[in-house]
Amino acid sequence: GAVVSQHPSRVICKSGTSVKIECRSLDFQATTMFWYRQFPKKSLMLMATSNEGSKATYEQGVEKDKFLINHASLTLSTLTVTSAHPEDSSFYICSAKTTSGEQETQYFGPGTRLLVL
Amino acid sequence: GQNIDQPTEMTATEGAIVQINCTYQTSGFNGLFWYQQHAGEAPTFLSYNVLDGLEEKGRFSSFLSRSKGYSYLLLKELQMKDSASYLCVVMDSNYQLIWGAGTKLIIKP
Repeated sequence: GAVVSQHPSRVICKSGTSVKIECRSLDFQATTMFWYRQFPKKSLMLMATSNEGSKATYEQGVEKDKFLINHASLTLSTLTVTSAHPEDSSFYICSAKTTSGEQETQYFGPGTRLLVL
Repeated sequence: GQNIDQPTEMTATEGAIVQINCTYQTSGFNGLFWYQQHAGEAPTFLSYNVLDGLEEKGRFSSFLSRSKGYSYLLLKELQMKDSASYLCVVMDSNYQLIWGAGTKLIIKP
């Protein structure tokens, strides 16, 4: 089946630094990628939707200048947490959507655990 | 390799009961989640099991057997709004999420 990878799987950084998380679709082209944030044992909060070659669409309450998203190709999207603070510590999950005929399928990545000290 | 298996699609009748099974083979185990996802929406958390047994929450129950690598989600008194995809997700020993492909549940009147 289709696979979505994320790198790094976990990162620890100091407050004030920036962290880049990569999301790749390994064996398919994803026209749309999504970035989520997971709170402990709770639902995934959609942060933004990115389409290849265009600006990401951010959900209400998500700071676009803090969470920079770049969808440079059909297989790669990056999320950069700028000037990270301890409250940004979380589990970030990406997913990639592919379309085959009329069927759309969404594949999720394994997540990236960010800890900001 | 790591693998999550769940049926691709199931059909059930409004008011009935349906059980969605999930089997997994992962590198270690730190819990199993069930999510519900309606088309075009973010997944919604339903349950989290880390110990063997049955967890009941309203119309939804989730069961886990770690020795068998098996879980199921039981939905009772089905309503039309329960038509959605149900995702089985396992957290492995590295706290990475391994996602099942999802089971599309179709509820008929």
